[in-house]
Amino acid sequence: KAGVTQTPRYLIKTRGQQVTLSCSPISGHRSVSWYQQTPGQGLQFLFEYFSETQRNKGNFPGRFSGRQFSNSRSEMNVSTLELGDSALYLCASSRGWGGSNTEAFFGQGTRLTVV
Amino acid sequence: TQLLEQSPQFLSIQEGENLTVYCNSSSVFSSLQWYRQEPGEGPVLLVTVVTGGEVKKLKRLTFQFGDARKDSSLHITAAQPGDTGLYLCAGALTSGTYKYIFGTGTRLKVLA
Repeated sequence: KAGVTQTPRYLIKTRGQQVTLSCSPISGHRSVSWYQQTPGQGLQFLFEYFSETQRNKGNFPGRFSGRQFSNSRSEMNVSTLELGDSALYLCASSRGWGGSNTEAFFGQGTRLTVV
Repeated sequence: TQLLEQSPQFLSIQEGENLTVYCNSSSVFSSLQWYRQEPGEGPVLLVTVVTGGEVKKLKRLTFQFGDARKDSSLHITAAQPGDTGLYLCAGALTSGTYKYIFGTGTRLKVLA
């Protein structure tokens, strides 16, 4: 069965631009979560979507937004990029909640570099 | 604020040594997972523990969930260079708010 697919793998953007990252979860998984990972801050939770609804949100500015489509695919958008947004952005999918349903399966990530 | 503290933060050991990584919180979890991540890749799920006191083994790795479901440990026997990576614990909170939080991470390096 196919794993979590994130596109693109690598991205270079200029300060002030916006970017959209895509995530296709494992078939049958209804929850998609997004994380930002940097060497200094570790894995930081951005938001989680379940059945097209945002179920949880981390402490990130409004420049970071996301959505989930009816086929569970998800996108996250970052507007007005800043140098500090350079990071590995990880998407994880899970079946839902409770016991092993919470197990997260991660994509390979999108490495975003803001110059 | 719910936190999952991992210790140690960094660990560098020789091949063949044993080690234990700890994951602690004041919150109760309905389930807890351990992941390993290699540079530039996403974390990979190693194990899920659900029941307080539960012990699971995965080859040379032994995972234990605390009796109160607030903490967990990962013990590696006879570490190999292939065990090198970032180890993360993550827990699903029981509060019903669907919160899933990751630990601070333990970076392990096993030297040949």
